[in-house]
Amino acid sequence: SQKIEQNSEALNIQEGKTATLTCNYTNYSPAYLQWYRQDPGRGPVFLLLIRENEKEKRKERLKVTFDTTLKQSLFHITASQPADSATYLCALERSGYSTLTFGKGTMLLVSP
Amino acid sequence: GAVVSQHPSWVICKSGTSVKIECRSLDFQATTMFWYRQFPKQSLMLMATSNEGSKATYEQGVEKDKFLINHASLTLSTLTVTSAHPEDSSFYICSAPSIVSGSWTDTQYFGPGTRLTVL
Repeated sequence: SQKIEQNSEALNIQEGKTATLTCNYTNYSPAYLQWYRQDPGRGPVFLLLIRENEKEKRKERLKVTFDTTLKQSLFHITASQPADSATYLCALERSGYSTLTFGKGTMLLVSP
Repeated sequence: GAVVSQHPSWVICKSGTSVKIECRSLDFQATTMFWYRQFPKQSLMLMATSNEGSKATYEQGVEKDKFLINHASLTLSTLTVTSAHPEDSSFYICSAPSIVSGSWTDTQYFGPGTRLTVL
C-alpha cells in the first residue's frame, strides 16, 4: 500500500540555523509533491509544490528537493525564526486521483 | 491568495444529535471541495470529494449516510454529521483546489477547520 513517512519526533533547533525535514514515500510514483504548514487548531497552508521532473525548488527562505530515485523529499528552512515553529506536512498526489494524501507531519520548534 | 472559510469554528453537541458544518470559498468559485478529518497527532484523512450539482464521492470506510454532503452552490459545501457519537469528535477541515487563469492547479486552499466535540 502507499505510505508517506515523516519523522514523528519534533525537531528542535536554534534560531538562525537551517531546519531540514524529511518526507519518504513508498509504493508511489507521484507526479508532484507538496509541503504545507499547519499551526495548532488551524487548517494547512500551502507552501511549495515540486514536480517529478524538478530536482529543487526555492521560495524565499524555503527550499525543497525531490529525489524520485530515493523516493524522498527534503524541506529546508534557512535562517529559521521562532515564527517558523509549526507542523509541516508532506502531501502527494494520490495515484489515479486528483486528491492528496498527507503524511502525519513533523513539528518544528525554533527557540530564540 | 484565495480564502476558504468554515463555520462554526468549534461546536459541542450531545450524542445522537446532528451537526452541520459549512465550507465557503470567499473570493472564487469551487465546483469541487474536499472534506478531511484529522485526529490528534494524525494526518489529514480525506473523507469525501464534494461536487457542485452532483453526488459526493466518499472514501472507502466513510459512511455516506452518516456524513451527508451537500454542494448546493459554487461557493458552498456543507457536511452534516448525523446522529453524532463521541467517536466522531475530531477536527474537520475542508479545502478547495486553486484555479489560475481558469484552470485547476494542483494545490489546495484549506479552511481554518471545525473542532467537533460530541459529549
